Amino acid sequence: AQSVSQHNHHVILSEAASLELGCNYSYGGTVNLFWYVQYPGQHLQLLLKYFSGDPLVKGIKGFEAEFIKSKFSFNLRKPSVQWSDTAEYFCASGGSARQLTFGSGTQLTVLP
Amino acid sequence: DTAVSQTPKYLVTQMGNDKSIKCEQNLGHDTMYWYKQDSKKFLKIMFSYNNKELIINETVPNRFSPKSPDKAHLNLHINSLELGDSAVYFCASSQGDEVGQPQHFGDGTRLSIL
Repeated sequence: AQSVSQHNHHVILSEAASLELGCNYSYGGTVNLFWYVQYPGQHLQLLLKYFSGDPLVKGIKGFEAEFIKSKFSFNLRKPSVQWSDTAEYFCASGGSARQLTFGSGTQLTVLP
Repeated sequence: DTAVSQTPKYLVTQMGNDKSIKCEQNLGHDTMYWYKQDSKKFLKIMFSYNNKELIINETVPNRFSPKSPDKAHLNLHINSLELGDSAVYFCASSQGDEVGQPQHFGDGTRLSIL
């Protein structure tokens, strides 16, 4: 069975700090990898996705993620966070959309 | 225009009742999903459905049943509600289940069981 691990449950940063959220997946076959963001009281929105090609993926709002196959990782990064980035971030993986498995989420709090 | 819409947004009801949550998508997608997000924000797939096949997560009690009157709708019916059903339920859709297709989510329905 697939699983996705997000080891950081809550991250607190000051504005302009750099961000890296960890995500590890376990799946032996082809994977799709996603990062979703859930702003307070809102639905999940797709930040970025990877399914093939360049392992460094650029997403919306200045986010990027790097797929490292040897480490089964797909960490999310942003060089300089803003207060508006405060949200819950979910990593997800799947061999197809139907098999999408989410991690437990990381709450990011950015202090002004 | 809202792409994936769920109603109601909030639902408060008593144990033992039967309730439904509606979901509609106007994206022309052919696959829809229901997820349950618990109090710890953990998201778990409950069902995925397209016009060919319903896939049920085996851990979902049979009190939960999806109903799809057409490709744009996937409603969730819950019978004999229990305290543990309290959660936020998200509907989502995607175009097929090919590799790389992202899912679009609704705003969620917060279900509280008294």
